[in-house]
Amino acid sequence: GEDVEQSLFLSVREGDSSVINCTYTDSSSTYLYWYKQEPGAGLQLLTYIFSNMDMKQDQRLTVLLNKKDKHLSLRIADTQTGDSAIYFCAESKNRDDKIIFGKGTRLHILP
Amino acid sequence: NAGVTQTPKFRILKIGQSMTLQCTQDMNHNYMYWYRQDPGMGLKLIYYSVGAGITDKGEVPNGYNVSRSTTEDFPLRLELAAPSQTSVYFCASRTRLGEAFFGQGTRLTVV
Repeated sequence: GEDVEQSLFLSVREGDSSVINCTYTDSSSTYLYWYKQEPGAGLQLLTYIFSNMDMKQDQRLTVLLNKKDKHLSLRIADTQTGDSAIYFCAESKNRDDKIIFGKGTRLHILP
Repeated sequence: NAGVTQTPKFRILKIGQSMTLQCTQDMNHNYMYWYRQDPGMGLKLIYYSVGAGITDKGEVPNGYNVSRSTTEDFPLRLELAAPSQTSVYFCASRTRLGEAFFGQGTRLTVV
């Protein structure tokens, strides 16, 4: 069945790069997403990548996709205190299919 | 733009009571979703809809019902509330390109 796995916690020093990793099981996944959730708030779409891409960059965010290994990563350059949140990886087969979420990685920023 | 709007933001229900969680979107999206989020468990799909008049079960539909009479609205109904339904509920809608936007959530406690 479909499954999305990610580590639950990550601690990073302010100013360093954060790399959050995710693996998924469904090789037919077409859309792969990263969402950010701040305390008490909803989910904010950070970025997404199509399965026919291997990299996408948007300002401080870089998404890398290794389709062979079904591995997705989110790199946040120059991590700031405002980046402290839970980051969810998610996948979907196509645009009218359900979106499956991982359990989220809580990013903690050290001073 | 309002985006995806959920009401109420908070609610306390007694066991056996019923209620409807409202969700409306003003982006003319066909695809809409209801998720529940339990601590440390990520998001689980309850129901989804690919357009007015069409709904489908997700991973955890038991105890819930939905309807989709218009493109804008996708209410979620709890008929006989149980403590296991204590959770944060998120509604989402999705563009044709696959981007999914979430509401701010409804925090429900069943006592």
